Amino acid sequence: SQQGEEDPQALSIQEGENATMNCSYKTSINNLQWYRQNSGRGLVHLILIRSNEREKHSGRLRVTLDTSKKSSSLLITASRAADTASYFCATPLNQAGTALIFGKGTTLSVSS
Amino acid sequence: GAGVSQSPRYKVAKRGQDVALRCDPISGHVSLFWYQQALGQGPEFLTYFQNEAQLDKSGLPSDRFFAERPEGSVSTLKIQRTQQEDSAVYLCASRPRRAGGTGELFFGEGSRLTVL
Repeated sequence: SQQGEEDPQALSIQEGENATMNCSYKTSINNLQWYRQNSGRGLVHLILIRSNEREKHSGRLRVTLDTSKKSSSLLITASRAADTASYFCATPLNQAGTALIFGKGTTLSVSS
Repeated sequence: GAGVSQSPRYKVAKRGQDVALRCDPISGHVSLFWYQQALGQGPEFLTYFQNEAQLDKSGLPSDRFFAERPEGSVSTLKIQRTQQEDSAVYLCASRPRRAGGTGELFFGEGSRLTVL
């Protein structure tokens, strides 16, 4: 089962533009994570935001979390061709927080 | 090792064959996870180990799927009598903290299984 749902499914932009992806989830969480996956590769962790945080920054990444709406957004500013990848949000499988469950992802294509 | 290592990277099996996929997690990582990723989809949770104990296998799709981690380090995912719907990338991930931790997962490159 997949709890997170990313939106849009696909996004195409030009280099230098900003890219925004959204994630909605169903149950209460204590944290939400974003991962990136280049074609044919494994997932790489980008950022973790806790339930008591509203916003977090890491380099060109900005993540927001709205627990009342059960949603999160990932903003990539000044995108580069190298940002082309699939992006997934992930939430804990259960209250014990053991495994993560992932959404279907947003495929981002940045053209130069 | 420096990262999570999976082998083989690519496996082609004939329908009905058994396959074994290996995962070598980052040294010292307590938790190990297996995921299945179909083409164009997100990873789907299969099973989770804490050291050698398999604490959650709720995601295993059938009794043809079996995972083990006998010494708390290397893990093997075995699929018996493979079927075409088993074709997917099988991802392994590890994490240094115990269950309940909120740390990131470190993923391997995956094993791509194609069942003909």
